[in-house]
Amino acid sequence: SQQGEEDPQALSIQEGENATMNCSYKTSINNLQWYRQNSGRGLVHLILIRSNEREKHSGRLRVTLDTSKKSSSLLITASRAADTASYFCATDLNTGFQKLVFGTGTRLLVSP
Amino acid sequence: GAVVSQHPSWVICKSGTSVKIECRSLDFQATTMFWYRQFPKQSLMLMATSNEGSKATYEQGVEKDKFLINHASLTLSTLTVTSAHPEDSSFYICSANYGPYRVQPQHFGDGTRLSIL
Repeated sequence: SQQGEEDPQALSIQEGENATMNCSYKTSINNLQWYRQNSGRGLVHLILIRSNEREKHSGRLRVTLDTSKKSSSLLITASRAADTASYFCATDLNTGFQKLVFGTGTRLLVSP
Repeated sequence: GAVVSQHPSWVICKSGTSVKIECRSLDFQATTMFWYRQFPKQSLMLMATSNEGSKATYEQGVEKDKFLINHASLTLSTLTVTSAHPEDSSFYICSANYGPYRVQPQHFGDGTRLSIL
C-alpha cells in the first residue's frame, strides 16, 4: 500500500500545550498537505507544503518537510479544546490530477 | 470561497436499494472531483477520480458497476451505490479542485453516512 503512516495514532494533551504529529510516506511527492477532520464531518485543508520547501507556518501551525527522510511534521502551538479533531497528512504523487494518498491519521484530544 | 456541498448527509435504506449521493461545487468550477470511502476511525481511501465530461477512473479493487460515478457538469458529480448491501455501509466523502496540473488543496464536502439495513 502507498498509504503513509502517522504517529502517534492518538494524542491527549492539556490546553496551552503544543501538539506534534509526524507523517512518513513511501514515494516521491509533488507536495504534502495536512487536513483536519472533526468527528463525522468532511476534511478541512490546513497547509500545503511543496517538495522544494522545508518549513511553512500558518497561524499556530508549523509544518516541516524532509524529503530525504520522506517525513513531515505538524506542530500546533498553544493548543485549544477546539483543536480536538483527527489530523491527516496527504501526499500528492504528482500524477497530474492531484490524487492524494492519505496517512493513517492522528486523533488529537485537547482537554480544557 | 471553494465550498463543496454534499447531499444527503445521512441515509438509511434497505438492502438492495440504490442510493445516489450528490457532490456540488458551489462557487467554483470543479474540473476534477474525487470520491472517498472512510470506515470508522480509519483513514480515507480513494475510490475514484471523476473528470467532467469523461469516464471516471476507479482505483484498484473498486467495482465500477457497483459504484457508478457521473460528472455531467463542472459543478456536479454523483456517486450511485447500486443494489446496496450492509457491507456498503460507510462514510462517503467527495472533494473537488480546479482541475489538473495545478498545485492546490482539495475542497471537501461534509460527507454522507450510508447505513444499509
